[in-house]
Amino acid sequence: NAGVTQTPKFQVLKTGQSMTLQCAQDMNHNSMYWYRQDPGMGLRLIYYSASEGTTDKGEVPNGYNVSRLNKREFSLRLESAAPSQTSVYFCASRIGGDTQYFGPGTRLTVL
Amino acid sequence: EDQVTQSPEALRLQEGESSSLNCSYTVSGLRGLFWYRQDPGKGPEFLFTLYSAGEEKEKERLKATLTKKESFLHITAPKPEDSATYLCAVGRGETSGSRLTFGEGTQLTVNP
Repeated sequence: NAGVTQTPKFQVLKTGQSMTLQCAQDMNHNSMYWYRQDPGMGLRLIYYSASEGTTDKGEVPNGYNVSRLNKREFSLRLESAAPSQTSVYFCASRIGGDTQYFGPGTRLTVL
Repeated sequence: EDQVTQSPEALRLQEGESSSLNCSYTVSGLRGLFWYRQDPGKGPEFLFTLYSAGEEKEKERLKATLTKKESFLHITAPKPEDSATYLCAVGRGETSGSRLTFGEGTQLTVNP
């Protein structure tokens, strides 16, 4: 039981490049979330999916898109990366209570 | 707008020196106050959920308490392995997809 997994662990992009961050969970959780973590800002919600087939914007959605591919997988896409998107990205999932369980993170640098 | 403020930003203790971390919050319709531990380079690890004022939960050297305006994470006789950043978050109602609002964290260092 791996919990929440994220790929890649590290990524360096040039401004304007695109990429997709992958997240998968094997806990049969209904809801999934994408956060970014920046120094002095705490964790901020980008997008979430309350259940398979639905997605909603969080606090900082601009510049991102998401896809809930199936119950297990929730991807985050940067269409045209900007230096302001340099951050650590975390995926989380939740089954039905309120507690969210986090993955190990993806460290993204945009040059 | 939901707000979570954690203090102090950083805390340095000697091994065995007990202390408390503070989390002040404002939220409409509190649906849980959450504590997480985060080690460098890792994702947040769940510690506790508190739902109502007066509730307390314990795990090893940690005890979390909740009032209507704040939560405390008490650390009794800490050890160096308790060094980490401790995050506090508040949850809102189910209609909001159980979204969490996080504080910036308290970085705890326990020296041997």
